[in-house]
Amino acid sequence: GAVVSQHPSRVICKSGTSVKIECRSLDFQATTMFWYRQFPKQSLMLMATSNEGSKATYEQGVEKDKFLINHASLTLSTLTVTSAHPEDSSFYICSAFTSSNYGYTFGSGTRLTVV
Amino acid sequence: LAKTTQPISMDSYEGQEVNITCSHNNIATNDYITWYQQFPSQGPRFIIQGYKTKVTNEVASLFIPADRKSSTLSLPRVSLSDTAVYYCLVVPNTGTASKLTFGTGTRLQVTL
Repeated sequence: GAVVSQHPSRVICKSGTSVKIECRSLDFQATTMFWYRQFPKQSLMLMATSNEGSKATYEQGVEKDKFLINHASLTLSTLTVTSAHPEDSSFYICSAFTSSNYGYTFGSGTRLTVV
Repeated sequence: LAKTTQPISMDSYEGQEVNITCSHNNIATNDYITWYQQFPSQGPRFIIQGYKTKVTNEVASLFIPADRKSSTLSLPRVSLSDTAVYYCLVVPNTGTASKLTFGTGTRLQVTL
């Protein structure tokens, strides 16, 4: 149980375009999901907390107008990278919290490359 | 949230036991210690979680001393496929979601 599906696994986009990443909890409801970013050889950095039915809360230094988060249902959160630039190229990972199991389950990640 | 400190990297030969120690001096009473494994280009995968003393599952053991200021992840007889980054996290057990802070992790390299 407690499976989180993240799509796409990798995406290449042109500079200036937008990209949407989906995070779904497959067998449980997740009122709270988290979005992380990970650069090569570095640790995961929390970007934002996604709450179902309300606005996301962003960590300091993360542009909320650039990284749009929508959590419209208890099983789906989306991260849209708007007007992407090469410096946005990174590995994006979502995580969902469930009060059962061990609490936090992570998606498989999305490799974003902006060219 | 309690900060964790663990070695940046470790090397091991296949078949050996590997012990990775993590310090979390500021752990709170209701915090659990959780270890995750991450392979390149994948999300972290849960390995083991504990509160005190010893916890064992099919892949690892977790040793936590009485003061809970540190913990040791033990991987018995590692194989090449255990090459990964291992993260130690202190996770509040409040029943609600909390932000998790990832430290540097320990990059384990297993060779023949």
